[in-house]
Amino acid sequence: EVQLVQSGAEVKKPGESLKISCKGSGYSFTSYWIGWVRQMPGKGLEWMGIIYPGDSDTRYSPSFQGQVTISADKSISTAYLQWSSLKASDTAMYYCARRAYSSSWYSFDPWGQGTLVTVSS
Amino acid sequence: SSELTQDPAVSVALGQTVRITCQGDSLRSYYASWYQQKPGQAPVLVIYGKNNRPSGIPDRFSGSSSGNTASLTITGAQAEDEADYYCNSRDSSGNISVFGGGTKLTVL
Repeated sequence: EVQLVQSGAEVKKPGESLKISCKGSGYSFTSYWIGWVRQMPGKGLEWMGIIYPGDSDTRYSPSFQGQVTISADKSISTAYLQWSSLKASDTAMYYCARRAYSSSWYSFDPWGQGTLVTVSS
Repeated sequence: SSELTQDPAVSVALGQTVRITCQGDSLRSYYASWYQQKPGQAPVLVIYGKNNRPSGIPDRFSGSSSGNTASLTITGAQAEDEADYYCNSRDSSGNISVFGGGTKLTVL
């Protein structure tokens, strides 16, 4: 079974750093892009960026470029999303998802269960 | 353009057919994928490509596309279909994606 399992909920203070994880299993981790998606409380899905674990090629949405860092460790089939200095506005649920694609479409499946990040003083 | 536009809310009577639409310039070149999200749960892929359903997705879900508009159709909506639905497409400017704002489907 193809599965993505994310790290647990985090409660942090503004200014702190954080790295959350997404571990893939049941498939060749280095052969599929992994994307990250933000969902703020009561709001819609926002595409943040994506990484190809095979060579760590990474792309960011312009809205998130410079705000977060996406990385991967293929030796342990894990992708990461990190912040160097959290803000209250980073409070959200964060999902990872595996991307499949052809020349005419992208799709994200499966999704991780989500990691809730709460930033509060 | 990297924007996808969806109606915020749609309702359908139980057993009837409903169409949820998604508009954007990138849809002239790329198919949308569609995701269902129920409260407190992660999104689930329901349609991708021209009209492909992942394993386990009921055949009452179908997709279509015309010009700059992609559509998700539910034929014979069930109570369990009440959820938020999001479209997603490849952005024509590069190797990135964008989501629509989401449509809340109410089954009456």
